[in-house]
Amino acid sequence: EMQLVESGGGLVQPGGSLRLSCVASGFTFHHYWMDWVRQAPGKGLVWISRIDSDGSGTSYADSVQGRFTIFRDNAKNTVYLQMNSLTLEDTGVYFCVRDHYGFDYWGQGTLVTVSS
Amino acid sequence: DVVMTQSPLSLAVTLGQPASISCRSSQGLVHSDGKTYFHWFQQRPGQSPRRLIYQISNRESGVPDRFSGSGSGTDFTLKISRVEAEDVGVYYCMQGTHWPPYTFGQGTKLEIK
Repeated sequence: EMQLVESGGGLVQPGGSLRLSCVASGFTFHHYWMDWVRQAPGKGLVWISRIDSDGSGTSYADSVQGRFTIFRDNAKNTVYLQMNSLTLEDTGVYFCVRDHYGFDYWGQGTLVTVSS
Repeated sequence: DVVMTQSPLSLAVTLGQPASISCRSSQGLVHSDGKTYFHWFQQRPGQSPRRLIYQISNRESGVPDRFSGSGSGTDFTLKISRVEAEDVGVYYCMQGTHWPPYTFGQGTKLEIK
């Protein structure tokens, strides 16, 4: 069975950092692009970042460019999102998503709360 | 960035009746490879989103055939032929043709009347 399990969320002060992890199982991880999508409380879905299958190419939303870094360890079937200089607007549930010509599998999400 | 505009933003439907959600993109979504990377997602209350329809009209495995997608160019539609209680949630359209960024519609909340 395919699974994406996120972790690393929590409460952090403005200006702080967090690293999210997403462990994949049930499919050949190194064959797929992976993405992170954010959902602020009560709001819609916003794409944050993408990484291609071997980690050589990445893309970011303008809102996180220069603050967030996506990377992966294919030996550990894990994709990460390093989040620095967090602001109140970064609060939300962060979903790890498999990107196979679109977002075909989603994790359960991990909640990040930025608050003083 | 491609703007995705959904309508209506909320919808109340009687059980067994049809429902229709529209999504319009600010530019055409045909990729240079000839495919159209336009998808529909369902997010039930308290759950993660799941993809219902990919590339305009292809149902994901396990999606009931009462769900159908259609459209071309900049105008797309999701139809539910007979709404059931389990269909309650928020529906999002998304384009993956012109990226970055991938962009979603605002979401349409479906409720039972």
